[in-house]
This record gives sequence, C-alpha cells and structure tokens, in this order.
Amino acid sequence: KAGVTQTPRYLIKTRGQQVTLSCSPISGHRSVSWYQQTPGQGLQFLFEYFSETQRNKGNFPGRFSGRQFSNSRSEMNVSTLELGDSALYLCASSSRQGSLNTEAFFGQGTRLTVV
Amino acid sequence: AQSVSQHNHHVILSEAASLELGCNYSYGGTVNLFWYVQYPGQHLQLLLKYFSGDPLVKGIKGFEAEFIKSKFSFNLRKPSVQWSDTAEYFCAVASYNTDKLIFGTGTRLQVFP
Repeated sequence: KAGVTQTPRYLIKTRGQQVTLSCSPISGHRSVSWYQQTPGQGLQFLFEYFSETQRNKGNFPGRFSGRQFSNSRSEMNVSTLELGDSALYLCASSSRQGSLNTEAFFGQGTRLTVV
Repeated sequence: AQSVSQHNHHVILSEAASLELGCNYSYGGTVNLFWYVQYPGQHLQLLLKYFSGDPLVKGIKGFEAEFIKSKFSFNLRKPSVQWSDTAEYFCAVASYNTDKLIFGTGTRLQVFP
C-alpha cells in the first residue's frame, strides 16, 4: 500500500509569510503526528491528531497549528514565519494514538526554508 | 522533565568495527521503545522495537538492542558495521503516561571502508 505522502517536498518562504504543509497518511491510519527536524535538535514533536482531534501538543508557539480531515489527511500551518522555522517537517502516521504498541511510518518530509 | 537522551552525537567507525549507541529515557511507567534509522536522502524507517517480553530484540540488517529497565536504557548494537550503515540513528520512546512518541536528538554514524 502507498506510504505517507507529504507535499510539497521543498518550500521557500520569506519572513512574515505563512505556509501550509500537507500530509496524507497510510490508508487506514487515523493518527498523524508532525515533527520538526533540525540539525542537533533531532525530531521535536509538534502535535498529533487522531480521528480529527488534536490529542497532544508539543512545546511550540501558537504560530504552529494543524488540523485533520475526515479522511485522516492532515495539514500543518505556520503563520508569521521566522528564520528559525527553517527545518525539515516530518509527518508520521500510525494506526494507534501515540504510536503505542505500533510503528510510526514517516513521509519524506517538507524542507522549509525561510529567507 | 521527560526526555530521551542519545549521548553519542557523531560516531566514526571503520568497516567491521563493533557499534554501540546509547539511549536513555526519563519516562516513568510503561514505555515502548524504538530505534529508527534515516539513510542519506531517505525517510525515517523502523530498525527495531521493544514492546514487551525478551529485553533483547533483534531488528533488520543485523542490529539488536537491549532494554535494561533498571537503567532506563535501550542501547543499539551491531557486532560488525558496514559502509552501508552510514546514517542517522534515532531512539524513540512512546510512553503510556504521555501518549506521545518522543525522539532523541539522533546519532550520526559514519562508516569508512
């Protein structure tokens, strides 16, 4: 079956703009988590959606938001972009909330560059 | 604070050398433990996982990890590395207390022929 699909793969934005990233999970998976990956910081948890509800949130400012649709596809939005938001944004899907007792499957990520 | 620590940030080895990457976590209660690998230009993929049972788990490509509950550790090992093992390795913990899958900062492994 198809893997996790993230679009777009690359994005260049200027400071102050906003951006929306998209993630299509594996068919049947209801959990979608978002992570920010930067060198030296590893993967920082942003939030998780399960059945259209945000179940968990990391320590990121309110400029970072997301949502999940009834087909489990998820979008992440970052408003008022800052240079420090430049990162690889990863989406992971799993069949259970929090990836408890199951594996998380990752997409290729969206490389966001803020200039 | 609850966290996942990987003490080795960058490891350089020659082919056939043995590998051990450390991972410690600070979560209490029941946890599930994972090692993920990210090869250059590729997406993160699961190397191995521990949910319960035998604390010594075997994964793909000859990797294994041992869960030591008393030490809150889940170290990754491979007796003889290959050039193709060059990648970044992430330890991750899913805690029943927090319902989150949290990653360590990663260890970059470079293997030279």
